[in-house]
Amino acid sequence: DQQVKQNSPSLSVQEGRISILNCDYTNSMFDYFLWYKKYPAEGPTFLISISSIKDKNEDGRFTVFLNKSAKHLSLHIVPSQPGDSAVYFCAASFEGGYNKLIFGAGTRLAVHP
Amino acid sequence: KAGVTQTPRYLIKTRGQQVTLSCSPISGHRSVSWYQQTPGQGLQFLFEYFSETQRNKGNFPGRFSGRQFSNSRSEMNVSTLELGDSALYLCASSWGLADNNEQFFGPGTRLTVL
Repeated sequence: DQQVKQNSPSLSVQEGRISILNCDYTNSMFDYFLWYKKYPAEGPTFLISISSIKDKNEDGRFTVFLNKSAKHLSLHIVPSQPGDSAVYFCAASFEGGYNKLIFGAGTRLAVHP
Repeated sequence: KAGVTQTPRYLIKTRGQQVTLSCSPISGHRSVSWYQQTPGQGLQFLFEYFSETQRNKGNFPGRFSGRQFSNSRSEMNVSTLELGDSALYLCASSWGLADNNEQFFGPGTRLTVL
């Protein structure tokens, strides 16, 4: 049962343009959402997070939007840079879950010059 | 500050064997979580240890087990290996005192079962 879904396995974007990565979830108990970035041969690194009491969180070029009624979140990267090329994972957690994260399958982003 | 380290980085085993993977967390971190990553499946939570106690468990068979030592280092063991156990095994450490601590991942151990 995939509680967190990333329906686009890959995305290709031109340098300087906006990258939009999407994530859907089914469990209404999730109250915290995170995005991780993963390069080959490295572990995932934390990018940005959002609590369910918010609908937007920004950190530099990265913005995460949360639509609770639609159970949907998205990560916007503006402007996209070639170094952003990586696999992006959406993850969710719930109160009392401590550090248990439920991950999506990932979206491979390729930013080309 | 040293990051999360995992040993070995690569491992090849045959069906039926058992394997032990090791994870050393960031100094001061008391929580260690383990994840399995397979193609198309994302990362799936195996279990979490905090202060030597298993605090959370995912939906994996009993062949998968783990433990944590007093220095917070953790090991996970997989017995009676199956072909489907071939995966990247990642561990992550955090302070662990509350929900949603930022987790820092190691580079993973790539296990291949033949």
